Amino acid sequence: DVKVTQSSRYLVKRTGEKVFLECVQDMDHENMFWYRQDPGLGLRLIYFSYDVKMKEKGDIPEGYSVSREKKERFSLILESASTNQTSMYLCASSLMDGTYEQYFGPGTRLTVT
Amino acid sequence: QQPVQSPQAVILREGEDAVINCSSSKALYSVHWYRQKHGEAPVFLMILLKGGEQKGHEKISASFNEKKQQSSLYLTASQLSYSGTYFCGTEAGSYQLTFGKGTKLSVIP
Repeated sequence: DVKVTQSSRYLVKRTGEKVFLECVQDMDHENMFWYRQDPGLGLRLIYFSYDVKMKEKGDIPEGYSVSREKKERFSLILESASTNQTSMYLCASSLMDGTYEQYFGPGTRLTVT
Repeated sequence: QQPVQSPQAVILREGEDAVINCSSSKALYSVHWYRQKHGEAPVFLMILLKGGEQKGHEKISASFNEKKQQSSLYLTASQLSYSGTYFCGTEAGSYQLTFGKGTKLSVIP
């Protein structure tokens, strides 16, 4: 059974803290994605990676960075968390191109206080 | 730019049909459809590719008008299990999907 896992379901951090969100997939997928989901706004792409050490900015990359050192793992980093980064964060993975479905992880609900 | 989905919300009785529309201002290579139930991750339903190929759920149908950059998802004989929020994701050749804001579908007995 295909699986995308995320390190935490719920996370509470303080303003200014550095936050790491981890995502692991076991499907040998080339592409991995980070989205944030806010009520009424749908899913918005933060960053994606099409290969190890490769990354592309999505629609809302400001305030975030990513790291992909191994094919199966994709990390989202909030260098200095702010309250407007309180959100649900979803990781996804897919095979090579846009003709393949994305598999989503369960999400991490991050609250920044 | 996010694709525009309509309607934003719809309530159906079991057995009724519904159509959810997705419209983009960009030339598209593919359109994806996903359903998300409350508290769960989005789940893949269907991909429609430029040129007419479709991949996905056997019991759900959809169309893709390449000239108008529009897609529609057809839900027939709705069941309670169809409830959730439906998202279209459009791909314009960059491997990235841009998702719409979602259509909340509620099926009642």
